[in-house]
Amino acid sequence: ETGVTQSPTHLIKTRGQQVTLRCSSQSGHNTVSWYQQALGQGPQFIFQYYREEENGRGNFPPRFSGLQFPNYSSELNVNALELDDSALYLCASRLDRGQETQYFGPGTRLLVL
Amino acid sequence: GENVEQHPSTLSVQEGDSAVIKCTYSDSASNYFPWYKQELGKGPQLIIDIRSNVGEKKDQRIAVTLNKTAKHFSLHITETQPEDSAVYFCAAGPILTGGGNKLTFGTGTQLKVEL
Repeated sequence: ETGVTQSPTHLIKTRGQQVTLRCSSQSGHNTVSWYQQALGQGPQFIFQYYREEENGRGNFPPRFSGLQFPNYSSELNVNALELDDSALYLCASRLDRGQETQYFGPGTRLLVL
Repeated sequence: GENVEQHPSTLSVQEGDSAVIKCTYSDSASNYFPWYKQELGKGPQLIIDIRSNVGEKKDQRIAVTLNKTAKHFSLHITETQPEDSAVYFCAAGPILTGGGNKLTFGTGTQLKVEL
C-alpha cells in the first residue's frame, strides 16, 4: 500500500450535478496531483497542488477545480457534470514538487448518468 | 505537448517466458520515464523508473532501457509469473525543481501470463 487514501470509493451522480472527491496524501508529502482515467485508457493529468496552490494544469476546463489544505490533504471538485466525466479519478502524492516519484491512491470511480 | 505511444495493447506469454513492452515519446524535454502496474480495481503502482541520464536500469526480474536519441524506452520482464498479469503503463514527463511536473501516460498493455 502507498499510504495514499481516497474517498469515496464509488460515486453515482447525474448530469449537471457537482461532485467533490477527497485525497489524503502519504505522510510528509506536500505535493498532490489529480488524474482522470477513462475506461481502457491511461491516466490523464488534471492538475497539481503544492503547498495549497495550483502548480501545473493539464488540458481540463475550469469546471475542474481543486483545493489543498494545510495538512496537504486535497479535494477535486467537478461542476456541471457531463456523461464523459465518468471515469476513475486518481490522486498521487510526492514528497516535494521537484521530486520524481509519486504514489497513487486506489481511486474514486465516478459514474455520471 | 508530450505524446506517448505504447505497444502492444495486449500481450500473452507463457509462464517463465519474457515480456517486452515498448513506448515512444515526442517531447525531448521529458527526462523521467516511470512504469506502472495496475491491477483490477487498484491505482497504478510504480514498478521501476529511469531518468534520462541513464540508459538502463534493472531490479530483479524487471529492467527498463532508454534510447534518448530515438525517443523510445522499453520494459522487460523476465521469468514471468501469473502474478505479473496486469495492465502496464509507461509514462514520460519533465521533472522541474519548481514543480508543475506533468506525466503523460501511454494507453496501457494488458499482460496475461498463462500457466
